[in-house]
Amino acid sequence: DAGVIQSPRHEVTEMGQEVTLRCKPISGHDYLFWYRQTMMRGLELLIYFNNNVPIDDSGMPEDRFSAKMPNASFSNLKIQPSEPRDSAVYFCASSLTGVVTDTQYFGPGTRLTVL
Amino acid sequence: GNSVTQMEGPVTLSEEAFLTINCTYTATGYPSLFWYVQYPGEGLQLLLKATKADDKGSNKGFEATYRKETTSFHLEKGSVQVSDSAVYFCALLNQAGTALIFGKGTTLSVSS
Repeated sequence: DAGVIQSPRHEVTEMGQEVTLRCKPISGHDYLFWYRQTMMRGLELLIYFNNNVPIDDSGMPEDRFSAKMPNASFSNLKIQPSEPRDSAVYFCASSLTGVVTDTQYFGPGTRLTVL
Repeated sequence: GNSVTQMEGPVTLSEEAFLTINCTYTATGYPSLFWYVQYPGEGLQLLLKATKADDKGSNKGFEATYRKETTSFHLEKGSVQVSDSAVYFCALLNQAGTALIFGKGTTLSVSS
């Protein structure tokens, strides 16, 4: 298996632009997680899905952020409009079952820079 | 709610030195505890875990024991290598048992 795939790996955009980050989880994994990593706040869970349904989006910072999972093999995280404080590394992770003690497999991350 | 605190870094060691990275937690009950590692330019990988009190997780020479008396899950390795240079994250389940809560990470730098 190729593991969790994220694209793009790097994104540089200007303030006010829409940003779309993409994730393909490991096939057969029922859970998908979006995290944001910054120096100041560390690794934060933004939202997670079970069987394509958002379960907990309490970590989404504000309405500018949205995430969807239209099918079992794809999810996207959108920021519209983007702001410089959104600059961070965004990770997607997936796990096999609903048991959270199950290992989460992380993608390589997307490094977002908003100018 | 549940939370985790780990020591601030960076930790700088010479090759073959002994490593300890402290992690303490606050939780209701006895949630599973984890250590994840992030190598430069990569995503996090599970290093080890312990699912109940007094369990010891181990992997790649790293160990951590789930100690309920001290609410700790310190990461140790007897002899570090340059290749162990990475960021290490302690984590536990949230109170609902539905997601992981990560510490802020501790950067380890090992020199030869």
